Amino acid sequence: KNEVEQSPQNLTAQEGEFITINCSYSVGISALHWLQQHPGGGIVSLFMLSSGKKKHGRLIATINIQEKHSSLHITASHPRDSAVYICAPWGSFGNEKLTFGTGTRLTIIP
Amino acid sequence: DTGVSQNPRHKITKRGQNVTFRCDPISEHNRLYWYRQTLGQGPEFLTYFQNEAQLEKSRLLSDRFSAERPKGSFSTLEIQRTEQGDSAMYLCASSAGGELFFGEGSRLTVL
Repeated sequence: KNEVEQSPQNLTAQEGEFITINCSYSVGISALHWLQQHPGGGIVSLFMLSSGKKKHGRLIATINIQEKHSSLHITASHPRDSAVYICAPWGSFGNEKLTFGTGTRLTIIP
Repeated sequence: DTGVSQNPRHKITKRGQNVTFRCDPISEHNRLYWYRQTLGQGPEFLTYFQNEAQLEKSRLLSDRFSAERPKGSFSTLEIQRTEQGDSAMYLCASSAGGELFFGEGSRLTVL
């Protein structure tokens, strides 16, 4: 079993829809990153969070440390949001390895 | 600061040759990570450094792979006796414990 599981693996939605991507992890963490990778492109960090909720534009990320679960939400989705989204928990102090989730491929149809 | 820099961006080599990739992290970032990504797959952890100390190395790596960060600044990843299965994008990321920054990657093609 992977240490980090994401769901869904693939998601296709219409422009304007509300998108939710989930991430569950089994390791102890100090923080969690949500990353974005466009086709053929580099990886960009969207959020780093260790508790609660963060918002940046149309993107919202939440984390529940006790339940070892995080979600990434996209409001009013747009075709330019089409990308692979990866959650990456950061190990707890003394083990700061960054572990990547399986990734969610999001396609937004105009 | 121009971000995380990786060189070369693309390397084509024949099977059996040695290759070396370099990563220049953002100044004063003490953490440096190497990942490998094959087409259509997510990044796989290879190794990471805290300053000059290599703290963990993936079991995925054979003895043909070695990484160094001699002065706690830039890092090199060397692959000896390359095999076709080594063809991938090699990604470097750095952090000071907060936000994470990725380089554009070094693409290796082994013929």
